[in-house]
Amino acid sequence: EAQLVEAGGGLVQPGGSLRLSCAASGFTFSDHWMSWVRQAPGKELEWVANIRPGGSESFYVDSLKGRFTISRDNAKNSLYLQMTSLRAEDTAVYYCARIGAAAGYYMDVWGKGTTVSVSS
Amino acid sequence: DIQMTQSPSTLSASVGDRVTITCRASQSISTWLAWYQQKPGKAPKLLIYKASTLESGVPLRFSGSGSGTEFTLTISSLQPDDFATYYCHQYSTYSQTFGQGTKVEI
Repeated sequence: EAQLVEAGGGLVQPGGSLRLSCAASGFTFSDHWMSWVRQAPGKELEWVANIRPGGSESFYVDSLKGRFTISRDNAKNSLYLQMTSLRAEDTAVYYCARIGAAAGYYMDVWGKGTTVSVSS
Repeated sequence: DIQMTQSPSTLSASVGDRVTITCRASQSISTWLAWYQQKPGKAPKLLIYKASTLESGVPLRFSGSGSGTEFTLTISSLQPDDFATYYCHQYSTYSQTFGQGTKVEI
């Protein structure tokens, strides 16, 4: 069974940095595009970033370009999100998601999420 | 960015009801649309992709339709386990967006 487990969330001060990780198991990680999606408290889902199976190309929501970096290590079956210059509005649950095998970027497997709180 | 607008925002229904949720895109997205179910404190769960393709394991009472700018998610006979929030998600471009969600409550 495909599974994703996020880690690395926590409380960080404004302006700080945090690196999230996502451990994948139960499927061939290197075959799939991967995504990060976040959800602020009481708000809707917001797509953050995608990365190609080989890691050669990534895409970001415009509002986060330059502050967040998605990466992956296929040898470790792991996905990462490096977050810098964090702001209060980055407070959210961050989900790692697998992009499905059929055409398009729908997300068919989700982790349980890791919570990031940005506050002084 | 393509804006996704769901209606209604909240829907009150009873077990056994037929429920329809609408999602409208600000420009054509062909059939590049997915629907997810989310329960409080849980991760979203994929229900439908490519506007009408049912994800494996999802009950047949869920169905999706539409193309272009207007889409619907229908639950043919609402079950107790279906009370949740539903999101549409357009992925027609690299810059993806979700709807604001529709909460289905008793």
